[in-house]
Amino acid sequence: EVQLLESGGGLVQPGGSLRLSCAASGFTFGNYAMSWVRQAPGKGLEWVSVISVSGDNTYYADSVRGRFTISRDNSKNTMYLQVNSLRADDTAVYYCAKHRGWDTYDAFDIWGQGTMVTVSS
Amino acid sequence: DIQMTQSPSTLSASVGDRVTITCRASQSFNTWLAWYQQKAGQAPKLLIYKASNLETGVPSRFSGSGSGTEFTLTINSLQPDDFATYYCQQYDSYSTFGQGTKVEIK
Repeated sequence: EVQLLESGGGLVQPGGSLRLSCAASGFTFGNYAMSWVRQAPGKGLEWVSVISVSGDNTYYADSVRGRFTISRDNSKNTMYLQVNSLRADDTAVYYCAKHRGWDTYDAFDIWGQGTMVTVSS
Repeated sequence: DIQMTQSPSTLSASVGDRVTITCRASQSFNTWLAWYQQKAGQAPKLLIYKASNLETGVPSRFSGSGSGTEFTLTINSLQPDDFATYYCQQYDSYSTFGQGTKVEIK
């Protein structure tokens, strides 16, 4: 079964950091681009970042550029999101999502269940 | 950045109705547009990709069309399982989602 499982969320103070993980199974992870998408409580979806199959190319939403870093380890079938300098408006469920193919510009056909990040003092 | 605007924000409909949701882009692009369905407490589910291609396993009552700056999602004969929130997504330039359309029971 194709599956994505996020972990690493939690309660963190403003200015703090977390490392989110997304473990993939059921498909050849290294053949697909991957993205992170977040959803603040009661709000819509916001794309956060994308990473190419090799990890050489990464892109970020303006709202997180310079604070978040996406990476992947194809040998471990895992993607990461290092989130630093967290602010209250970063509070959200963070989803990892598999692209339909290798292209960083593609629809997302598989989503994880999400991990909650709460930024509060 | 390409901004995506969905309308309406909320739609009240009955089982059996035909419903249409529109997504307008701030600038023109080809057909790099997807539609997702999200139910409360669940992750989004891909319905349509490349504007009009039905994802495997998605019922044929869902269809998509459009290009340029205007795209539509149509649900023919709305079913009880279809009451949910729907999002469009452009992936022509990185990625942007519309703000969502909630389809509720009339």
